[in-house]
Amino acid sequence: KNEVEQSPQNLTAQEGEFITINCSYSVGISALHWLQQHPGGGIVSLFMLSSGKKKHGRLIATINIQEKHSSLHITASHPRDSAVYICAVRSKGAQKLVFGQGTRLTINP
Amino acid sequence: EADIYQTPRYLVIGTGKKITLECSQTMGHDKMYWYQQDPGMELHLIHYSYGVNSTEKGDLSSESTVSRIRTEHFPLTLESARPSHTSQYLCASSLGGETDYGYTFGSGTRLTVV
Repeated sequence: KNEVEQSPQNLTAQEGEFITINCSYSVGISALHWLQQHPGGGIVSLFMLSSGKKKHGRLIATINIQEKHSSLHITASHPRDSAVYICAVRSKGAQKLVFGQGTRLTINP
Repeated sequence: EADIYQTPRYLVIGTGKKITLECSQTMGHDKMYWYQQDPGMELHLIHYSYGVNSTEKGDLSSESTVSRIRTEHFPLTLESARPSHTSQYLCASSLGGETDYGYTFGSGTRLTVV
């Protein structure tokens, strides 16, 4: 079992739909990152969380430390949101990130 | 504008050649990382550095080597490329210290060894 599990692995939705991507992890963490990777391969850091909730534009990230779970929500989804969304965690006492396998999101017009 | 740059963006090279993938950042970040990513798979850390003259191997065994002679520069070298090295290589950086900071990623180098 991987330390970081994402679901779903693939998600296809229509433009305008509300999207939720989930991330579960099995270790105590000091921080959780949500990243976005476009087809070209480059990665953009969306959020870094250690508690609570963060919002940036149409994106919202939440984390529940007790349940070891985080969600990334996209409101009013748009085709340009199509990308792979990656969850990564830094374990307490560790220096390095551990990555999930990613969720491939496709938003159809 | 502060950023992280990787060159080349794409590279096709023959087996046995020596190659160096370049990574430079203008943000003064102490921590730099090299990740390897096969298509559809998760990122794996192959090397990292927490400052000048400090380099460590990551979780994934790699035949590559790295150097950190200057804060802004973290090149990765393959002495003799093989088809098994075909992959995408991503460089990243972050601020130093124990506090968590966000990561900045480069655009990646897509390497094909034929």
